[in-house]
Amino acid sequence: EAGVAQSPRYKIIEKRQSVAFWCNPISGHATLYWYQQILGQGPKLLIQFQNNGVVDDSQLPKDRFSAERLKGVDSTLKIQPAKLEDSAVYLCASSLRLAGQETQYFGPGTRLLVL
Amino acid sequence: RKEVEQDPGPFNVPEGATVAFNCTYSNSASQSFFWYRQDCRKEPKLLMSVYSSGNEDGRFTAQLNRASQYISLLIRDSKLSDSATYLCAVRNQGGKLIFGQGTELSVKP
Repeated sequence: EAGVAQSPRYKIIEKRQSVAFWCNPISGHATLYWYQQILGQGPKLLIQFQNNGVVDDSQLPKDRFSAERLKGVDSTLKIQPAKLEDSAVYLCASSLRLAGQETQYFGPGTRLLVL
Repeated sequence: RKEVEQDPGPFNVPEGATVAFNCTYSNSASQSFFWYRQDCRKEPKLLMSVYSSGNEDGRFTAQLNRASQYISLLIRDSKLSDSATYLCAVRNQGGKLIFGQGTELSVKP
């Protein structure tokens, strides 16, 4: 079974530039998550989608971050404009609930460096 | 206070040692609990869920203490390949997964 796919794997940009990340979840997984993982910290949830609807975006800095999942499958996360403190790994995860159990599967992440 | 806190690392242990990690959570209404393993420059992968009765998977044992609001992970007979960062995660009543900051384990020959 194919896992969660993300691209690009690495991105280097200058502050105030824009950047976009793409995620393709595991086939059939209705729930999709974007996390930010700063070096030395655990992943922090930015936004959660259920199909193409937003469930939780309480920790998404909406002045500069946006995300969409238009057809309920692929998703994009955009940062515009980027700041130095946005340097992190952006992880996409998807999950499926079966028999009351839900397991999140993570993609390989996009490593962003803002200079 | 952070919602989920882990032992600060790193833990440096010799092969064959037994090592234990602890993780505390602040929300008493938390629903479910997990340990993830994250290798350097890789994504987190689920190691095991943590059940109220405690559970074991080979050399790994996870325990939950709801009264004291902590979970633990015990690794027996450490292998070089166990070297990684171990993340605990807690699902709150809203369904959100909250991660600790991770504890780095280095197993030396």
